[in-house]
Amino acid sequence: ETGVTQSPTHLIKTRGQQVTLRCSSQSGHNTVSWYQQALGQGPQFIFQYYREEENGRGNFPPRFSGLQFPNYSSELNVNALELDDSALYLCASSQSTSLETQYFGPGTRLLVL
Amino acid sequence: AQKVTQAQTEISVVEKEDVTLDCVYETRDTTYYLFWYKQPPSGELVFLIRRNSFDEQNEISGRYSWNFQKSTSSFNFTITASQVVDSAVYFCALSGDAGGTSYGKLTFGQGTILTVHP
Repeated sequence: ETGVTQSPTHLIKTRGQQVTLRCSSQSGHNTVSWYQQALGQGPQFIFQYYREEENGRGNFPPRFSGLQFPNYSSELNVNALELDDSALYLCASSQSTSLETQYFGPGTRLLVL
Repeated sequence: AQKVTQAQTEISVVEKEDVTLDCVYETRDTTYYLFWYKQPPSGELVFLIRRNSFDEQNEISGRYSWNFQKSTSSFNFTITASQVVDSAVYFCALSGDAGGTSYGKLTFGQGTILTVHP
């Protein structure tokens, strides 16, 4: 196990609702990245947080937003949910001095109906 | 833009067979990092290996080996004497080096589903 935890494990929402996913990084890691993995696809980078600041963003609309807290845990918020947001959301943490290796949590499976 | 291609969508082998998973990448970065991750049915991505682009030595770790060829932009992964527990989806990924916009952000391939039959 990597020590990265995510909650909840599963979630069902309806279109138009808002959702918050949570991630606790591995001890000693101050960088958290979020990825979206649609069924049968590879993970797609959403954004990254380093010391509570957004440090890069992928090709996702503004309704995807995030936060990082002083203890380096993180939240991913998605507003106005769409059916295509149904996916596995993965959180990864890394040390700032070793950003090259990211360790992933078990993910949150989101289903939007 | 960076791109990772895993041409093999699915591979099926019988236990004890050797199997090679192919990965081809594209990047404009002069230095970069390549990764392989394993995703079992539980969904968690398990880190297997990281290679720096300036280190083209091949690597062996138990039954796993990796063949990095910069000239052909390939980073292939071989499992020797496969086992049923190797069944999973395997992802190749790429990240740029420090100073580049893709530093620390992984670009994944589509994944290869490996099924090892007893």
